[in-house]
Amino acid sequence: DQQVKQNSPSLSVQEGRISILNCDYTNSMFDYFLWYKKYPAEGPTFLISISSIKDKNEDGRFTVFLNKSAKHLSLHIVPSQPGDSAVYFCAAGSNTGNQFYFGTGTSLTVIP
Amino acid sequence: EPEVTQTPSHQVTQMGQEVILRCVPISNHLYFYWYRQILGQKVEFLVSFYNNEISEKSEIFDDQFSVERPDGSNFTLKIRSTKLEDSAMYFCASSASGHSYEQYFGPGTRLTVT
Repeated sequence: DQQVKQNSPSLSVQEGRISILNCDYTNSMFDYFLWYKKYPAEGPTFLISISSIKDKNEDGRFTVFLNKSAKHLSLHIVPSQPGDSAVYFCAAGSNTGNQFYFGTGTSLTVIP
Repeated sequence: EPEVTQTPSHQVTQMGQEVILRCVPISNHLYFYWYRQILGQKVEFLVSFYNNEISEKSEIFDDQFSVERPDGSNFTLKIRSTKLEDSAMYFCASSASGHSYEQYFGPGTRLTVT
Protein backbone atom coordinates (compact mmCIF):
# COMPACT_ATOMS: atom_id res chain seq x y z
CA ASP A 1 0.00 0.00 0.00
CA GLN A 2 1.52 3.28 -1.05
CA GLN A 3 0.16 5.85 1.31
CA VAL A 4 2.69 8.43 0.15
CA LYS A 5 3.52 8.82 -3.50
CA GLN A 6 6.12 10.76 -5.37
CA ASN A 7 5.21 10.25 -8.98
CA SER A 8 8.30 11.86 -10.49
CA PRO A 9 11.34 9.66 -10.02
CA SER A 10 13.63 12.36 -11.37
CA LEU A 11 13.77 16.07 -12.09
CA SER A 12 16.40 18.24 -13.79
CA VAL A 13 16.53 21.99 -13.27
CA GLN A 14 18.93 24.74 -14.32
CA GLU A 15 20.89 26.41 -11.59
CA GLY A 16 19.10 29.52 -10.37
CA ARG A 17 15.68 28.30 -11.42
CA ILE A 18 12.93 26.94 -9.18
CA SER A 19 12.73 23.23 -8.36
CA ILE A 20 9.28 21.91 -7.51
CA LEU A 21 9.01 18.45 -6.04
CA ASN A 22 5.57 16.96 -5.55
CA CYS A 23 4.10 14.46 -3.14
CA ASP A 24 0.62 12.99 -2.77
CA TYR A 25 -0.83 11.06 0.13
CA THR A 26 -3.94 8.99 0.61
CA ASN A 27 -4.46 8.80 4.36
CA SER A 28 -6.57 11.70 5.65
CA MET A 29 -5.31 10.97 9.17
CA PHE A 30 -1.86 12.24 8.30
CA ASP A 31 -1.28 15.58 9.94
CA TYR A 32 2.46 16.04 9.80
CA PHE A 33 4.66 16.04 6.74
CA LEU A 34 8.39 16.18 6.25
CA TRP A 35 10.89 16.44 3.48
CA TYR A 36 14.23 14.69 3.68
CA LYS A 37 17.22 15.04 1.42
CA LYS A 38 19.49 12.11 0.77
CA TYR A 39 22.93 12.04 -0.77
CA PRO A 40 24.44 8.75 -1.96
CA ALA A 41 25.94 6.64 0.82
CA GLU A 42 24.37 8.81 3.50
CA GLY A 43 21.19 8.59 5.56
CA PRO A 44 18.25 10.92 4.92
CA THR A 45 18.70 14.42 6.33
CA PHE A 46 15.74 16.35 7.63
CA LEU A 47 15.02 19.40 5.50
CA ILE A 48 11.69 20.99 6.37
CA SER A 49 8.33 20.02 7.83
CA ILE A 50 4.76 21.23 7.93
CA SER A 51 1.82 20.40 10.12
CA SER A 52 -1.72 20.21 8.89
CA ILE A 53 -2.69 23.43 10.65
CA LYS A 54 -0.58 25.34 8.15
CA ASP A 55 -0.57 25.50 4.39
CA LYS A 56 2.91 26.91 3.97
CA ASN A 57 6.23 26.76 5.76
CA GLU A 58 9.33 28.55 4.62
CA ASP A 59 12.96 28.11 5.58
CA GLY A 60 15.43 30.05 3.50
CA ARG A 61 15.39 28.76 -0.06
CA PHE A 62 13.00 25.95 0.85
CA THR A 63 9.24 26.29 1.05
CA VAL A 64 6.74 23.52 1.59
CA PHE A 65 3.12 23.96 0.55
CA LEU A 66 0.31 21.77 1.81
CA ASN A 67 -3.06 21.38 0.12
CA LYS A 68 -5.09 19.25 2.50
CA SER A 69 -8.17 19.03 0.33
CA ALA A 70 -6.07 17.64 -2.52
CA LYS A 71 -3.88 15.60 -0.18
CA HIS A 72 -0.91 17.10 -1.90
CA LEU A 73 2.26 18.78 -0.80
CA SER A 74 5.13 20.27 -2.67
CA LEU A 75 8.64 21.42 -1.94
CA HIS A 76 9.91 24.51 -3.71
CA ILE A 77 13.61 25.27 -3.86
CA VAL A 78 14.50 28.67 -5.17
CA PRO A 79 17.03 29.47 -6.40
CA SER A 80 18.24 25.94 -7.06
CA GLN A 81 21.93 25.26 -6.57
CA PRO A 82 24.11 22.40 -7.81
CA GLY A 83 24.58 21.29 -4.18
CA ASP A 84 20.84 20.65 -4.01
CA SER A 85 21.31 17.66 -6.31
CA ALA A 86 20.12 14.72 -4.22
CA VAL A 87 17.17 12.41 -3.72
CA TYR A 88 14.28 14.08 -1.92
CA PHE A 89 11.87 12.02 0.13
CA CYS A 90 8.49 13.13 1.29
CA ALA A 91 7.23 11.53 4.52
CA ALA A 92 3.90 11.70 6.31
CA GLY A 93 2.63 10.66 9.68
CA SER A 94 0.00 11.34 12.28
CA ASN A 95 0.23 13.08 15.60
CA THR A 96 -0.79 9.90 17.39
CA GLY A 97 2.16 7.78 16.37
CA ASN A 98 5.87 7.67 15.62
CA GLN A 99 5.56 5.90 12.30
CA PHE A 100 6.25 7.90 9.18
CA TYR A 101 5.48 6.72 5.70
CA PHE A 102 7.96 7.65 3.03
CA GLY A 103 7.52 8.21 -0.67
CA THR A 104 9.82 6.56 -3.17
CA GLY A 105 11.85 9.72 -3.65
CA THR A 106 12.59 12.14 -6.45
CA SER A 107 16.12 12.48 -7.72
CA LEU A 108 16.84 16.15 -8.32
CA THR A 109 19.69 17.21 -10.58
CA VAL A 110 20.57 20.89 -10.67
CA ILE A 111 22.55 21.66 -13.79
CA PRO A 112 25.20 24.37 -13.44
CA GLU B 1 27.43 18.52 15.49
CA PRO B 2 26.08 15.34 17.11
CA GLU B 3 25.23 12.53 14.72
CA VAL B 4 23.84 9.04 14.61
CA THR B 5 26.44 6.43 13.78
CA GLN B 6 25.94 2.90 12.49
CA THR B 7 28.20 -0.13 12.22
CA PRO B 8 29.11 -1.93 10.12
CA SER B 9 28.67 0.08 6.94
CA HIS B 10 28.31 -3.14 4.96
CA GLN B 11 27.42 -6.61 6.20
CA VAL B 12 27.41 -9.70 4.02
CA THR B 13 25.81 -12.80 5.45
CA GLN B 14 24.52 -16.15 4.32
CA MET B 15 20.85 -16.95 4.28
CA GLY B 16 19.71 -18.35 7.61
CA GLN B 17 22.42 -16.62 9.63
CA GLU B 18 21.77 -14.14 12.39
CA VAL B 19 22.93 -10.56 12.03
CA ILE B 20 23.10 -7.71 14.46
CA LEU B 21 23.15 -4.16 13.16
CA ARG B 22 24.40 -1.56 15.56
CA CYS B 23 23.55 2.07 16.04
CA VAL B 24 24.66 4.78 18.41
CA PRO B 25 21.91 7.40 18.57
CA ILE B 26 22.48 11.01 19.51
CA SER B 27 23.22 11.02 23.22
CA ASN B 28 20.34 13.08 24.58
CA HIS B 29 17.72 11.54 22.32
CA LEU B 30 15.08 9.29 23.82
CA TYR B 31 13.30 7.82 20.80
CA PHE B 32 14.95 5.40 18.44
CA TYR B 33 13.90 3.98 15.11
CA TRP B 34 14.88 1.49 12.47
CA TYR B 35 14.00 1.87 8.82
CA ARG B 36 14.99 -0.10 5.79
CA GLN B 37 15.25 0.71 2.11
CA ILE B 38 15.32 -2.10 -0.40
CA LEU B 39 17.30 -1.04 -3.44
CA GLY B 40 15.22 1.17 -5.68
CA GLN B 41 12.27 1.27 -3.30
CA LYS B 42 10.97 3.60 -0.64
CA VAL B 43 12.26 3.98 2.90
CA GLU B 44 10.08 1.77 5.12
CA PHE B 45 9.48 2.13 8.83
CA LEU B 46 10.32 -0.96 10.88
CA VAL B 47 10.09 -0.08 14.54
CA SER B 48 10.23 2.70 17.11
CA PHE B 49 11.60 2.26 20.61
CA TYR B 50 11.21 4.30 23.77
CA ASN B 51 11.84 3.67 27.43
CA ASN B 52 13.29 0.24 26.74
CA GLU B 53 10.32 -1.04 24.86
CA ILE B 54 8.89 -1.07 21.38
CA SER B 55 6.37 1.73 20.98
CA GLU B 56 5.33 1.00 17.44
CA LYS B 57 6.19 -1.52 14.74
CA SER B 58 5.22 -2.18 11.16
CA GLU B 59 4.05 -5.38 9.48
CA ILE B 60 7.59 -5.93 8.25
CA PHE B 61 8.87 -6.22 11.81
CA ASP B 62 7.91 -9.85 12.39
CA ASP B 63 9.26 -12.42 14.84
CA GLN B 64 12.55 -12.61 12.96
CA PHE B 65 13.37 -9.09 14.08
CA SER B 66 14.18 -7.79 17.52
CA VAL B 67 15.62 -4.59 18.92
CA GLU B 68 17.56 -3.94 22.05
CA ARG B 69 19.27 -1.17 23.90
CA PRO B 70 21.92 -3.23 25.64
CA ASP B 71 23.60 -0.29 27.33
CA GLY B 72 23.23 3.47 27.58
CA SER B 73 24.48 4.21 24.12
CA ASN B 74 23.86 1.38 21.64
CA PHE B 75 20.64 0.46 19.88
CA THR B 76 20.67 -2.80 17.94
CA LEU B 77 18.54 -4.52 15.37
CA LYS B 78 18.81 -8.30 15.24
CA ILE B 79 17.58 -10.46 12.39
CA ARG B 80 17.50 -14.03 13.62
CA SER B 81 17.47 -16.01 10.41
CA THR B 82 18.14 -13.83 7.41
CA LYS B 83 16.36 -14.28 4.13
CA LEU B 84 17.41 -13.10 0.70
CA GLU B 85 14.68 -10.47 0.79
CA ASP B 86 16.21 -8.92 3.91
CA SER B 87 18.92 -7.46 1.70
CA ALA B 88 18.53 -3.70 2.04
CA MET B 89 19.95 -0.55 3.55
CA TYR B 90 19.02 -0.35 7.18
CA PHE B 91 18.83 3.12 8.68
CA CYS B 92 18.77 3.93 12.36
CA ALA B 93 17.28 7.24 13.48
CA SER B 94 16.75 9.03 16.76
CA SER B 95 14.73 11.98 17.94
CA ALA B 96 14.65 14.08 21.08
CA SER B 97 11.04 13.27 21.84
CA GLY B 98 8.16 11.34 20.40
CA HIS B 99 6.70 14.55 19.12
CA SER B 100 9.94 15.78 17.69
CA TYR B 101 9.31 14.80 14.16
CA GLU B 102 12.80 15.82 13.22
CA GLN B 103 14.43 12.45 13.21
CA TYR B 104 18.16 12.26 12.69
CA PHE B 105 19.26 9.39 10.53
CA GLY B 106 22.49 7.45 10.54
CA PRO B 107 24.41 6.69 7.35
CA GLY B 108 22.92 3.22 7.09
CA THR B 109 24.18 -0.36 7.01
CA ARG B 110 24.00 -2.18 3.72
CA LEU B 111 22.97 -5.77 4.43
CA THR B 112 23.56 -8.29 1.68
CA VAL B 113 22.14 -11.76 2.19
CA THR B 114 23.54 -14.40 -0.15
